[in-house]
Amino acid sequence: GAGVSQSPSNKVTEKGKDVELRCDPISGHTALYWYRQSLGQGLEFLIYFQGNSAPDKSGLPSDRFSAERTGGSVSTLTIQRTQQEDSAVYLCASSSLIGGQETQYFGPGTRLLVL
Amino acid sequence: AQSVTQLDSHVSVSEGTPVLLRCNYSSSYSPSLFWYVQHPNKGLQLLLKYTSAATLVKGINGFEAEFKKSETSFHLTKPSAHMSDAAEYFCVVSDTSGQGGSEKLVFGKGTKLTVNP
Repeated sequence: GAGVSQSPSNKVTEKGKDVELRCDPISGHTALYWYRQSLGQGLEFLIYFQGNSAPDKSGLPSDRFSAERTGGSVSTLTIQRTQQEDSAVYLCASSSLIGGQETQYFGPGTRLLVL
Repeated sequence: AQSVTQLDSHVSVSEGTPVLLRCNYSSSYSPSLFWYVQHPNKGLQLLLKYTSAATLVKGINGFEAEFKKSETSFHLTKPSAHMSDAAEYFCVVSDTSGQGGSEKLVFGKGTKLTVNP
């Protein structure tokens, strides 16, 4: 079946502009995570959505970052007033519970370059 | 807080020889541990996971890992390396301390595996 998809695959933007990154999770997966992979920081958690529960936003690096998940499916991550240090690969993962254990499946990522 | 330490940033082996990628974890409770692999310009793929059912975990592509509580280790091994194994490998622990039932993954810094012909 279809895996997690993300768009765009690459995004180049100018410092100060806003960007939106999209994630389509695997159908039926209720949990959705955003992570960021950068040279300096490695892979780090950003935000988590699960059904109608309040999201876990503890990993968002600043208030320029926000995310939403509409209808319990597609999610968008928005970065306002982008800075050069926002350049990274943004990864989305969705997960299901099988036998009480959660497994996260990752999308291919969006590579963001802020000039 | 949960954390993992990958002891080698880079490992180089010859094709056909064994692979050992080392990982130590720190956890305040019984952890869920994973190994993920990332091939160049590809997404993260789950190799295997440990969730307390058995200490020796078998994964895809001939990889396995052994959970050793006394050593707080979860090293990844493969008896015979193949050229296609060249990639970056991440040791990961699940952190369930967040709100809403989040099981966010905490990644190690990664080990880049090079396989020489």
